[in-house]
Amino acid sequence: DADVTQTPRNRITKTGKRIMLECSQTKGHDRMYWYRQDPGLGLRLIYYSFDVKDINKGEISDGYSVSRQAQAKFSLSLESAIPNQTALYFCATSDPGTGGTEAFFGQGTRLTVV
Amino acid sequence: QKEVEQNSGPLSVPEGAIASLNCTYSDRGSQSFFWYRQYSGKSPELIMSIYSNGDKEDGRFTAQLNKASQYVSLLIRDSQPSDSATYLCAVNPPRSGNTGKLIFGQGTTLQVKP
Repeated sequence: DADVTQTPRNRITKTGKRIMLECSQTKGHDRMYWYRQDPGLGLRLIYYSFDVKDINKGEISDGYSVSRQAQAKFSLSLESAIPNQTALYFCATSDPGTGGTEAFFGQGTRLTVV
Repeated sequence: QKEVEQNSGPLSVPEGAIASLNCTYSDRGSQSFFWYRQYSGKSPELIMSIYSNGDKEDGRFTAQLNKASQYVSLLIRDSQPSDSATYLCAVNPPRSGNTGKLIFGQGTTLQVKP
């Protein structure tokens, strides 16, 4: 089983719909991140969390919200999906014991908004 | 100017050759540098990290860092078709402390031809 698991792996949704992407991890890391990847733009940080009570915005948080339900679970929500949120979304974790430098990524969720 | 820049490629090299991948970054205060490999449709995986000027070797991979010139490179010796992937350069931005936040370049696609 993957250490960082994302569900769903693929999703097609309509403009204006609310959608939640879920991430769970068994690595025991406190730090969790949501990135989106677009062709030609690399990965960009949406939100990150150091624990259940510590949520921080990244570079591109507008239009997104997150919830850290437990140390192992970090979900990303699109309250009202729009077509330019079509992208590949990655959840990641890191271990502050190593300086928080190495990120471990989930398999990704391919989201299409039509 | 993008914070982390890479040539998107594709970079094509014959099997057995040395592949040289380059990355420049804009913020002189950046301290930690990473190379991730991403196969098509898969998640990024860390292959090298480097923190101080000079070279760091790990098997067929060598990372080179020059902070004065603000570039970091990855050399792959004896390139194999299995090295064909997108290589992402990532940087810990200054003042990010040990948050684990990463700024990614857009990635360079490497094609190793048999």
